[in-house]
Amino acid sequence: AQTVTQSQPEMSVQEAETVTLSCTYDTSESDYYLFWYKQPPSRQMILVIRQEAYKQQNATENRFSVNFQKAAKSFSLKISDSQLGDAAMYFCAYIRAGSYQLTFGKGTKLSVIP
Amino acid sequence: DGGITQSPKYLFRKEGQNVTLSCEQNLNHDAMYWYRQDPGQGLRLIYYSQIVNDFQKGDIAEGYSVSREKKESFPLTVTSAQKNPTAFYLCASSVGLVADTQYFGPGTRLTVL
Repeated sequence: AQTVTQSQPEMSVQEAETVTLSCTYDTSESDYYLFWYKQPPSRQMILVIRQEAYKQQNATENRFSVNFQKAAKSFSLKISDSQLGDAAMYFCAYIRAGSYQLTFGKGTKLSVIP
Repeated sequence: DGGITQSPKYLFRKEGQNVTLSCEQNLNHDAMYWYRQDPGQGLRLIYYSQIVNDFQKGDIAEGYSVSREKKESFPLTVTSAQKNPTAFYLCASSVGLVADTQYFGPGTRLTVL
């Protein structure tokens, strides 16, 4: 079974600084997709970024970028120029190609210090 | 505006009662999902539906039931057989292609008294 591990239960960052959240996953598949979701205090899950495993280029969405290391099965999220609104739980998720079932990590709580 | 709505936002239930959580989407998505979130945990899949009149069990389907009579609606019933139903429930939908991006509703907090 696939597993997703987020080893940092909590992290903090100064406003305007950069922070990196870690995620590792375990799979025997070669074709899959990875996601980062943000869950603010409102608790609605918001898609941050998506990465296709067959693409070597790391995905980027404005201030959010990933470092995808397929061989190491690592998928970290970098947030640049952190803003107060970035404070939230961040979940890493995996889905095998051909599946409808997302597997989530347990999340990292990010605090942004003014 | 297109989106996913869940109602109610907060729900209270007495032990032994069944309760139904609503999920509606106007995104014209074929696939819909129900997840459960407990404190300190990620989301776990309860049921999903790829198309109207069809649904599949997820990892923790015991004590839950669903129906999919309309494309827009995917209600979840928490039955009295669910041993520990107090949790936050999230509904999601996707276009319907496999491994497609899932978009989430605002969630329902269920508390069993």
